Amino acid sequence: QKEVEQNSGPLSVPEGAIASLNCTYSDRVSQSFFWYRQYSGKSPELIMSIYSNGDKEDGRFTAQLNKASQYVSLLIRDSQPSDSATYLCAVGGNTPLVFGKGTRLSVIA
Amino acid sequence: NAGVTQTPKFQVLKTGQSMTLQCAQDMNHNSMYWYRQDPGMGLRLIYYSASEGTTDKGEVPNGYNVSRLNKREFSLRLESAAPSQTSVYFCASPGTPNSGNTIYFGEGSWLTVV
Repeated sequence: QKEVEQNSGPLSVPEGAIASLNCTYSDRVSQSFFWYRQYSGKSPELIMSIYSNGDKEDGRFTAQLNKASQYVSLLIRDSQPSDSATYLCAVGGNTPLVFGKGTRLSVIA
Repeated sequence: NAGVTQTPKFQVLKTGQSMTLQCAQDMNHNSMYWYRQDPGMGLRLIYYSASEGTTDKGEVPNGYNVSRLNKREFSLRLESAAPSQTSVYFCASPGTPNSGNTIYFGEGSWLTVV
């Protein structure tokens, strides 16, 4: 059984701070890694994808991947109250994506 | 959400009743998925279809059946609903490699079985 583990939170950070979200996965042959944001009552929306080791930056978001450690993270700089949501880590390869249970982030104004 | 449409959005069923959740995508994707999401459990794959005419079980298939009617449509059927099937159901379709294989989700169907 392929597993994706995330800390359920809630993770609380003050407005303007950096939020750090972490994820580990069990399947070593995984090839694609995604971070989704989900607001309450809404469907998940993609915010970052990463496929190779290292960092990938997009605006205030940075995804980091370390395949040797089977670890992927998401950094949110200058956190805003609108970033308050559940963040889902998803991992895949040639099979459907496996999702973690999500981390609830709360950004306090 | 652009491209994936699922119905109904809300449904209340009595135990033992049957119903079908409908899903359609207009992105010409080969694959379509059905997930369920329960509090604290994340998204769990029920069934998926890698191409028209094929379906495969996911992590939690018991109590469900699916039909890939054509390339656009993938339906999920509950033959005899149980309270344990109270959940939010998401239909999804992964994109092409050029789109990073990202998944496009429908807006979700909230199902309550009483």
